Amino acid sequence: KNQVEQSPQSLIILEGKNCTLQCNYTVSPFSNLRWYKQDTGRGPVSLTIMTFSENTKSNGRYTATLDADTKQSSLHITASQLSDSASYICVAGSSNTGKLIFGQGTTLQVKP
Amino acid sequence: EAGVTQFPSHSVIEKGQTVTLRCDPISGHDNLYWYRRVMGKEIKFLLHFVKESKQDESGMPNNRFLAERTGGTYSTLKVQPAELEDSGVYFCASSQGAGSGTQYFGPGTRLLVL
Repeated sequence: KNQVEQSPQSLIILEGKNCTLQCNYTVSPFSNLRWYKQDTGRGPVSLTIMTFSENTKSNGRYTATLDADTKQSSLHITASQLSDSASYICVAGSSNTGKLIFGQGTTLQVKP
Repeated sequence: EAGVTQFPSHSVIEKGQTVTLRCDPISGHDNLYWYRRVMGKEIKFLLHFVKESKQDESGMPNNRFLAERTGGTYSTLKVQPAELEDSGVYFCASSQGAGSGTQYFGPGTRLLVL
């Protein structure tokens, strides 16, 4: 069964601190791994996309890693800001058609 | 450039009624996707259009759901008759290419079936 699992379910950090979110996936055939940010009441916004041959991808203060052998990915947020408070969703792309399998997300709260 | 838009933003209907959701993709995007998030669950794929053709509709829950994309521009998702378990947030996304292309999501339509 294709599935994506994320941890932790929720996280609270202080502004300026770093954090790392984890993702494990079981998706076949696997094509790519994405991280999305979703603010409350809005649609998901793409942060990074990595194909199975890529190990890392950065987007500003966001850095994603991918280990296709262990089927694990992480999203590291550096120097967090209040605006980083959101749900972060790990998404695996299956085959080459664009079909996406979503994790349940990690809810991040950044406090001043 | 306008993003993906969805209408309505919210809909409250009674069980047995019909609801039609609309999605306008980013101009020029041939690929259009519908997703749904029910309360407490992850977002799940419903179907994928390439222009006006259904590429993959493996995620459609049952035959009460009908998606169309006449002319390959905007798409509609009709639920008839609606059931309580259809409540959730329906997202539409579009992309230029399939595969590893970025999918741009709309804000979603929040559907509540009473």
